Amino acid sequence: AQSVTQLGSHVSVSEGALVLLRCNYSSSVPPYLFWYVQYPNQGLQLLLKYTSAATLVKGINGFEAEFKKSETSFHLTKPSAHMSDAAEYFCAGNAGGTSYGKLTFGQGTILTVHP
Amino acid sequence: DAGVTQSPTHLIKTRGQQVTLRCSPKSGHDTVSWYQQALGQGPQFIFQYYEEEERQRGNFPDRFSGHQFPNYSSELNVNALLLGDSALYLCASSPWDRGKYEQYFGPGTRLTVT
Repeated sequence: AQSVTQLGSHVSVSEGALVLLRCNYSSSVPPYLFWYVQYPNQGLQLLLKYTSAATLVKGINGFEAEFKKSETSFHLTKPSAHMSDAAEYFCAGNAGGTSYGKLTFGQGTILTVHP
Repeated sequence: DAGVTQSPTHLIKTRGQQVTLRCSPKSGHDTVSWYQQALGQGPQFIFQYYEEEERQRGNFPDRFSGHQFPNYSSELNVNALLLGDSALYLCASSPWDRGKYEQYFGPGTRLTVT
Protein backbone atom coordinates (compact mmCIF):
# COMPACT_ATOMS: atom_id res chain seq x y z
CA ALA A 1 0.00 0.00 0.00
CA GLN A 2 1.15 3.47 -0.73
CA SER A 3 1.92 5.94 2.04
CA VAL A 4 2.84 9.60 2.02
CA THR A 5 4.81 11.24 4.80
CA GLN A 6 5.21 14.96 5.33
CA LEU A 7 8.14 15.90 7.54
CA GLY A 8 7.27 18.76 9.83
CA SER A 9 3.72 19.58 10.81
CA HIS A 10 4.59 23.28 11.12
CA VAL A 11 7.04 25.37 9.10
CA SER A 12 7.67 29.04 9.80
CA VAL A 13 9.53 31.40 7.44
CA SER A 14 10.03 35.10 7.03
CA GLU A 15 8.50 36.95 4.11
CA GLY A 16 10.94 36.75 1.20
CA ALA A 17 12.68 33.62 2.50
CA LEU A 18 12.84 30.23 0.83
CA VAL A 19 9.94 27.87 1.44
CA LEU A 20 10.75 24.15 1.65
CA LEU A 21 8.04 21.64 2.53
CA ARG A 22 9.11 17.99 2.62
CA CYS A 23 7.25 14.97 1.32
CA ASN A 24 8.34 11.36 1.02
CA TYR A 25 6.35 8.52 -0.48
CA SER A 26 6.50 4.77 -0.45
CA SER A 27 5.12 2.79 -3.29
CA SER A 28 5.81 -0.38 -5.18
CA VAL A 29 4.94 1.32 -8.44
CA PRO A 30 5.87 4.70 -9.92
CA PRO A 31 3.39 7.09 -8.35
CA TYR A 32 1.50 10.13 -9.41
CA LEU A 33 2.18 12.86 -6.86
CA PHE A 34 0.41 16.08 -6.01
CA TRP A 35 0.66 19.09 -3.77
CA TYR A 36 -2.55 20.74 -2.61
CA VAL A 37 -3.05 23.93 -0.58
CA GLN A 38 -5.89 24.50 1.85
CA TYR A 39 -6.81 27.90 3.23
CA PRO A 40 -8.86 28.08 6.44
CA ASN A 41 -12.39 26.76 6.05
CA GLN A 42 -11.89 26.00 2.37
CA GLY A 43 -11.42 22.97 0.16
CA LEU A 44 -8.23 21.82 -1.52
CA GLN A 45 -6.63 23.64 -4.42
CA LEU A 46 -4.18 21.84 -6.67
CA LEU A 47 -0.75 23.51 -6.71
CA LEU A 48 1.07 21.08 -8.99
CA LYS A 49 1.31 17.46 -10.01
CA TYR A 50 3.90 14.92 -11.13
CA THR A 51 2.76 12.43 -13.74
CA SER A 52 6.16 11.14 -14.95
CA ALA A 53 6.53 13.64 -17.78
CA ALA A 54 9.25 15.74 -16.11
CA THR A 55 10.94 15.45 -12.73
CA LEU A 56 10.86 19.21 -12.04
CA VAL A 57 7.28 20.38 -11.92
CA LYS A 58 6.18 24.00 -11.87
CA GLY A 59 2.87 24.95 -10.37
CA ILE A 60 0.80 27.97 -9.56
CA ASN A 61 1.82 30.91 -7.37
CA GLY A 62 5.55 30.35 -7.98
CA PHE A 63 5.73 26.90 -6.38
CA GLU A 64 7.68 24.01 -7.82
CA ALA A 65 8.55 20.47 -6.78
CA GLU A 66 11.17 17.96 -7.83
CA PHE A 67 10.52 14.24 -8.05
CA LYS A 68 13.56 12.28 -6.87
CA LYS A 69 13.04 8.55 -7.28
CA SER A 70 16.33 7.66 -5.57
CA GLU A 71 15.22 9.54 -2.45
CA THR A 72 11.48 8.74 -2.84
CA SER A 73 10.86 12.43 -2.29
CA PHE A 74 8.70 15.16 -3.78
CA HIS A 75 9.58 18.31 -1.84
CA LEU A 76 7.76 21.58 -2.49
CA THR A 77 9.72 24.81 -2.80
CA LYS A 78 9.19 28.50 -3.45
CA PRO A 79 12.15 30.89 -3.71
CA SER A 80 10.50 33.80 -1.91
CA ALA A 81 7.62 33.47 0.54
CA HIS A 82 4.71 35.86 0.48
CA MET A 83 2.27 36.55 3.28
CA SER A 84 -0.51 35.09 1.15
CA ASP A 85 1.29 31.71 1.11
CA ALA A 86 0.29 31.11 4.73
CA ALA A 87 -1.93 28.02 4.61
CA GLU A 88 -1.86 24.26 5.10
CA TYR A 89 -0.17 22.18 2.44
CA PHE A 90 -0.85 18.55 1.66
CA CYS A 91 1.21 16.12 -0.34
CA ALA A 92 -0.79 13.31 -1.94
CA GLY A 93 -0.08 10.29 -4.06
CA ASN A 94 -1.93 7.96 -6.37
CA ALA A 95 -0.33 4.62 -7.06
CA GLY A 96 -2.32 4.14 -10.24
CA GLY A 97 -3.26 0.64 -11.31
CA THR A 98 -6.15 -0.66 -9.23
CA SER A 99 -5.93 2.42 -7.00
CA TYR A 100 -7.26 4.46 -9.87
CA GLY A 101 -8.24 7.89 -8.61
CA LYS A 102 -7.72 7.06 -4.92
CA LEU A 103 -5.50 9.68 -3.33
CA THR A 104 -3.44 8.98 -0.23
CA PHE A 105 -2.63 12.18 1.68
CA GLY A 106 0.09 13.15 4.08
CA GLN A 107 -0.75 14.69 7.46
CA GLY A 108 -0.27 18.22 6.21
CA THR A 109 2.18 21.02 6.93
CA ILE A 110 1.01 24.38 8.22
CA LEU A 111 3.09 27.18 6.72
CA THR A 112 3.36 30.41 8.69
CA VAL A 113 4.90 33.48 7.05
CA HIS A 114 6.23 36.25 9.29
CA PRO A 115 6.56 39.86 8.11
CA ASP B 1 -18.08 26.94 -15.65
CA ALA B 2 -18.96 25.97 -12.10
CA GLY B 3 -16.48 23.87 -10.22
CA VAL B 4 -17.33 21.16 -7.73
CA THR B 5 -20.16 22.24 -5.46
CA GLN B 6 -21.23 20.73 -2.14
CA SER B 7 -24.20 21.23 0.12
CA PRO B 8 -24.82 22.06 2.82
CA THR B 9 -21.83 24.12 3.93
CA HIS B 10 -22.27 23.32 7.60
CA LEU B 11 -24.35 20.77 9.44
CA ILE B 12 -24.92 19.97 13.09
CA LYS B 13 -26.34 16.57 14.04
CA THR B 14 -26.87 14.60 17.20
CA ARG B 15 -25.19 11.28 17.93
CA GLY B 16 -27.22 8.39 16.49
CA GLN B 17 -28.83 10.46 13.74
CA GLN B 18 -28.39 10.02 10.01
CA VAL B 19 -27.01 12.62 7.58
CA THR B 20 -26.91 13.08 3.81
CA LEU B 21 -24.32 15.25 2.08
CA ARG B 22 -24.49 16.23 -1.57
CA CYS B 23 -21.98 16.89 -4.32
CA SER B 24 -22.24 18.12 -7.89
CA PRO B 25 -19.15 17.42 -9.98
CA LYS B 26 -17.37 19.83 -12.27
CA SER B 27 -18.90 20.05 -15.72
CA GLY B 28 -17.66 17.19 -17.92
CA HIS B 29 -16.64 14.99 -15.00
CA ASP B 30 -18.30 11.62 -14.46
CA THR B 31 -16.45 10.30 -11.39
CA VAL B 32 -16.95 11.41 -7.80
CA SER B 33 -14.80 10.56 -4.79
CA TRP B 34 -15.51 11.35 -1.14
CA TYR B 35 -12.93 12.10 1.54
CA GLN B 36 -13.16 12.67 5.29
CA GLN B 37 -10.81 15.22 6.84
CA ALA B 38 -10.75 15.16 10.62
CA LEU B 39 -9.39 18.22 12.40
CA GLY B 40 -5.62 18.43 12.05
CA GLN B 41 -5.44 15.46 9.68
CA GLY B 42 -5.05 14.87 6.00
CA PRO B 43 -8.09 13.76 4.00
CA GLN B 44 -8.92 10.04 4.11
CA PHE B 45 -10.49 8.32 1.09
CA ILE B 46 -14.00 7.02 1.75
CA PHE B 47 -15.18 5.75 -1.65
CA GLN B 48 -15.46 6.53 -5.33
CA TYR B 49 -18.42 6.35 -7.71
CA TYR B 50 -18.48 5.92 -11.46
CA GLU B 51 -21.38 4.88 -13.66
CA GLU B 52 -23.60 4.88 -10.57
CA GLU B 53 -21.53 2.13 -8.93
CA GLU B 54 -19.09 2.17 -6.04
CA ARG B 55 -15.72 1.43 -7.63
CA GLN B 56 -13.30 1.70 -4.73
CA ARG B 57 -13.71 1.92 -0.98
CA GLY B 58 -11.39 2.99 1.80
CA ASN B 59 -11.33 1.68 5.38
CA PHE B 60 -14.69 3.02 6.47
CA PRO B 61 -17.54 1.05 8.08
CA ASP B 62 -20.78 0.20 6.33
CA ARG B 63 -22.43 3.11 8.14
CA PHE B 64 -20.94 5.16 5.31
CA SER B 65 -22.80 4.66 2.06
CA GLY B 66 -23.23 6.57 -1.13
CA HIS B 67 -25.09 6.98 -4.33
CA GLN B 68 -24.44 8.45 -7.74
CA PHE B 69 -27.22 9.73 -9.94
CA PRO B 70 -27.50 9.65 -13.76
CA ASN B 71 -26.42 13.32 -13.90
CA TYR B 72 -23.18 12.27 -12.08
CA SER B 73 -24.04 14.08 -8.85
CA SER B 74 -23.52 12.10 -5.68
CA GLU B 75 -24.67 11.72 -2.11
CA LEU B 76 -22.81 10.54 0.96
CA ASN B 77 -24.94 9.02 3.70
CA VAL B 78 -23.77 8.34 7.23
CA ASN B 79 -25.99 6.37 9.60
CA ALA B 80 -25.84 6.09 13.38
CA LEU B 81 -23.58 9.11 13.73
CA LEU B 82 -20.74 8.99 16.22
CA LEU B 83 -18.89 11.91 17.76
CA GLY B 84 -15.85 10.76 15.79
CA ASP B 85 -17.68 11.40 12.52
CA SER B 86 -17.26 15.13 13.08
CA ALA B 87 -15.08 16.28 10.20
CA LEU B 88 -14.88 18.19 6.95
CA TYR B 89 -16.26 16.01 4.15
CA LEU B 90 -14.71 16.74 0.79
CA CYS B 91 -15.98 15.72 -2.61
CA ALA B 92 -13.65 15.46 -5.59
CA SER B 93 -14.52 14.94 -9.23
CA SER B 94 -12.62 13.87 -12.31
CA PRO B 95 -13.13 12.29 -15.70
CA TRP B 96 -12.91 8.53 -15.14
CA ASP B 97 -9.97 8.08 -17.51
CA ARG B 98 -8.00 10.92 -15.90
CA GLY B 99 -8.73 10.27 -12.25
CA LYS B 100 -5.14 9.35 -11.50
CA TYR B 101 -3.89 12.62 -13.02
CA GLU B 102 -6.30 15.16 -11.67
CA GLN B 103 -9.02 15.57 -9.11
CA TYR B 104 -10.86 18.78 -8.38
CA PHE B 105 -12.11 19.32 -4.86
CA GLY B 106 -15.19 21.11 -3.64
CA PRO B 107 -15.25 23.46 -0.63
CA GLY B 108 -16.45 20.71 1.70
CA THR B 109 -19.24 20.21 4.20
CA ARG B 110 -18.37 20.72 7.85
CA LEU B 111 -20.25 18.13 9.93
CA THR B 112 -20.42 18.52 13.68
CA VAL B 113 -21.86 15.67 15.75
CA THR B 114 -22.90 16.55 19.28
